[in-house]
Amino acid sequence: AQSVTQLGSHVSVSEGALVLLRCNYSSSVPPYLFWYVQYPNQGLQLLLKYTSAATLVKGINGFEAEFKKSETSFHLTKPSAHMSDAAEYFCAVSRGKLIFGQGTELSVKP
Amino acid sequence: EAGVVQSPRYKIIEKKQPVAFWCNPISGHNTLYWYLQNLGQGPELLIRYENEEAVDDSQLPKDRFSAERLKGVDSTLKIQPAELGDSAVYLCASSLSQLAGGRPDTQYFGPGTRLTVL
Repeated sequence: AQSVTQLGSHVSVSEGALVLLRCNYSSSVPPYLFWYVQYPNQGLQLLLKYTSAATLVKGINGFEAEFKKSETSFHLTKPSAHMSDAAEYFCAVSRGKLIFGQGTELSVKP
Repeated sequence: EAGVVQSPRYKIIEKKQPVAFWCNPISGHNTLYWYLQNLGQGPELLIRYENEEAVDDSQLPKDRFSAERLKGVDSTLKIQPAELGDSAVYLCASSLSQLAGGRPDTQYFGPGTRLTVL
């Protein structure tokens, strides 16, 4: 069975600081992995996806994620946080259907 | 290009009442999904349609939930009767296709319908 675990339900960073949101997956076959962002009262928006091409995936809004098979991880990073990055972030794995993690709420302090 | 449209955005009903949610996917998208999102959790798939056929409804509580996608475009999700525990956000998403074993197409989500059952 596939699943994802997001470590830390809340992450708080200062504006300009590094953002690191952690995601570990469990899959018996090479997975497809996704990061979505959800702003208050809105639907989910795709940030980036890994589909077995390059292991370092660049997404929108300056985010990127690296697929590490040996660590079964797909952590999301951004070098410099902006106030507008405050939102809920979801990691998801897909082998036919999307299975989401429980989400990480990112707060950005001025 | 218009995104996934859902209505209503908010709905408040009393328990045991029926409720329906409507979704219009992105034009040309064959695959349509309904997700349930409880507070503080990630979305969970309720049902997936390929055109007008429900190809995965294993997580849909069929005693009270039903869905349809007539003509393979718009879709309606219904709950009858609603229970207190149904209070959640119901998300609709669509994608070009979801080929078995192939690369998954990007799913585009609507804004959701927030249901409150009193």
